[in-house]
Amino acid sequence: GENVGLHLPTLSVQEGDNSIINCAYSNSASDYFIWYKQESGKGPQFIIDIRSNMDKRQGQRVTVLLNKTVKHLSLQIAATQPGDSAVYFCAETSSWGTYKYIFGTGTRLKVLA
Amino acid sequence: GAGVSQSPRYKVAKRGQDVALRCDPISGHVSLFWYQQALGQGPEFLTYFQNEAQLDKSGLPSDRFFAERPEGSVSTLKIQRTQQEDSAVYLCASSLVGTTEAFFGQGTRLTVV
Repeated sequence: GENVGLHLPTLSVQEGDNSIINCAYSNSASDYFIWYKQESGKGPQFIIDIRSNMDKRQGQRVTVLLNKTVKHLSLQIAATQPGDSAVYFCAETSSWGTYKYIFGTGTRLKVLA
Repeated sequence: GAGVSQSPRYKVAKRGQDVALRCDPISGHVSLFWYQQALGQGPEFLTYFQNEAQLDKSGLPSDRFFAERPEGSVSTLKIQRTQQEDSAVYLCASSLVGTTEAFFGQGTRLTVV
């Protein structure tokens, strides 16, 4: 929605650099995780997902890392572009194929030209 | 349709007024969800439908909130006697059953004055 990220942690990255966005999740029983991107005035958009039996998954320019020991998830964006500027949310759920995602508080990514 | 469509895009309601928010999911998507997103926060789950059946309404904050999907396609979220704390963006998402990638609409921004 509009003004998403008004009071969120902000990560500023130079265009072309790599970005790393971190997320700590809460439920040790969660076994499926998703990263969403939300631009101002729009709904969340799926970026990449990972199941708990994996440590790493790669997509186009994005990589998700999962550390179950410390309940930590990260999203790496390679060669960050201005179009990557948005708020990024991690979401967790306790069973693949279910619907009840628990979203984190989000991180605002600002790409500097 | 091309995506999840929500209407109205913006709604201003006087405190105590009833409102109805509409969601048109992607054609063929069995699963439909409503989320509430307060300013600067991640979305929070409200309710879930599979076809016309409301399988989970545990996230609805009070009995003033009511959702329906009578024919298994379009859904309406109704809020009775709106309060200021109801001000938020209401997001609708849909997905194929048995998958986890949910497609979100742009949301309806509700402002209660």
